Amino acid sequence: EIVMTQSPATLSVSPGERATLSCRASQSVSSNLAWYQQKPGQAPRLLIYGASTRATGIPARFSGSGSGTEFTLTISSLQSEDFAVYYCQQYNNWPLYTFGQGTKLEIK
Amino acid sequence: QLQLQESGPGLVKPSETLSLTCTVSGGSISTSTYYWGWIRQPPGKGLEWIGSIYYSGSTYYNPSLKSRVTISVDTSRTQFSLKLSSVTAADTAVYYCASHRTSYSSFDYWGQGTLLTVSS
Repeated sequence: EIVMTQSPATLSVSPGERATLSCRASQSVSSNLAWYQQKPGQAPRLLIYGASTRATGIPARFSGSGSGTEFTLTISSLQSEDFAVYYCQQYNNWPLYTFGQGTKLEIK
Repeated sequence: QLQLQESGPGLVKPSETLSLTCTVSGGSISTSTYYWGWIRQPPGKGLEWIGSIYYSGSTYYNPSLKSRVTISVDTSRTQFSLKLSSVTAADTAVYYCASHRTSYSSFDYWGQGTLLTVSS
């Protein structure tokens, strides 16, 4: 099983500032990595797939980078609606998808 | 675009079998375009993939749950289902159904989730 580790567990950032979230895989997942945003009481929403491709309708302030074992989600200028929990997911090791434990992005 | 909606009993007793259904609208469930999956999230915790099914009936399960999981598809009713046997309190979670386009892809459409509590 590929273990996905996200850091930090909680990130406190002020609106308008940049947020950088990290995700590390226990072995290479190539670029087969996705990022999701989850708000309280809602289902996860796909933000990024293929490590760096924004899903339909996702604002340009969200960007993903990395390959292999190290990945980053950057939100360039935080809006109030961006404060949520973010999960990474690898889909390289089919048929066993695994998720990270999540990073909570909170208002500073 | 696709819409997915979970339905289920809400409460199941320990040792019983959990049964959930996902109804798909806005597209055909009998298409080679999508796989149909189940993911769960215990209260306050992260996401766990349970398994997926292809329209042909081929199934893929998380090894940690494989002995207790059955996923099936009913193309005539545009539904797919999850059965999890011998449930315990550790199976209490929000259960989501979701779609993914290929065997190596992210989950693009999700249901809103349904809370399943295991309690006597």
